[in-house]
Amino acid sequence: QKEVEQNSGPLSVPEGAIASLNCTYSDRVSQSFFWYRQYSGKSPELIMSIYSNGDKEDGRFTAQLNKASQYVSLLIRDSQPSDSATYLCAVNKGYSSASKIIFGSGTRLSIRP
Amino acid sequence: EPEVTQTPSHQVTQMGQEVILRCVPISNHLYFYWYRQILGQKVEFLVSFYNNEISEKSEIFDDQFSVERPDGSNFTLKIRSTKLEDSAMYFCASSEGLGLAGYNEQFFGPGTRLTVL
Repeated sequence: QKEVEQNSGPLSVPEGAIASLNCTYSDRVSQSFFWYRQYSGKSPELIMSIYSNGDKEDGRFTAQLNKASQYVSLLIRDSQPSDSATYLCAVNKGYSSASKIIFGSGTRLSIRP
Repeated sequence: EPEVTQTPSHQVTQMGQEVILRCVPISNHLYFYWYRQILGQKVEFLVSFYNNEISEKSEIFDDQFSVERPDGSNFTLKIRSTKLEDSAMYFCASSEGLGLAGYNEQFFGPGTRLTVL
């Protein structure tokens, strides 16, 4: 079983609509959860972090965490063509302050004009 | 806004040669990391570093790899004898390290594309 699972996509969403990206993780001890955006050939860019159950909003982005279901999601409202990228879900088990991040394989999002 | 920088952006080397990849983490960050991403695959952890010591390393990080903080600003990854399968994007990351364990956001540099011929 993969530690962090994401649907690879591509997920195609019309401009202006809501894009919904999902992720599940296998280890219940996981402490913190992150969404990174990665454009082709570029490095991961942190867009959201979430540590407790519920929703966290930042501009057009909302991250949702459900630890009981081991499920993390990212909603992007009013999708723009510039949102077209691969979105990486990442998990930190929190064993130490130097704990590694474990990445999923990413979901490719395409916003069609 | 402070950012992680990496040099070179692209490194081409012959199999068996040594390479050193350089990173300058964000200045007030205490924890440093190397990750790599083989083309078309996911980002994989290599090593974490704190207080001039390795904190954690993955199975990938074998005796061919080493890390060093040679001065107050640089953080380097050395591959002693490169193999074809070392071809990948190598990302340096850093985190502030002031929060609770596991709650530190990691910020990535732009990466070095390593091509081993």
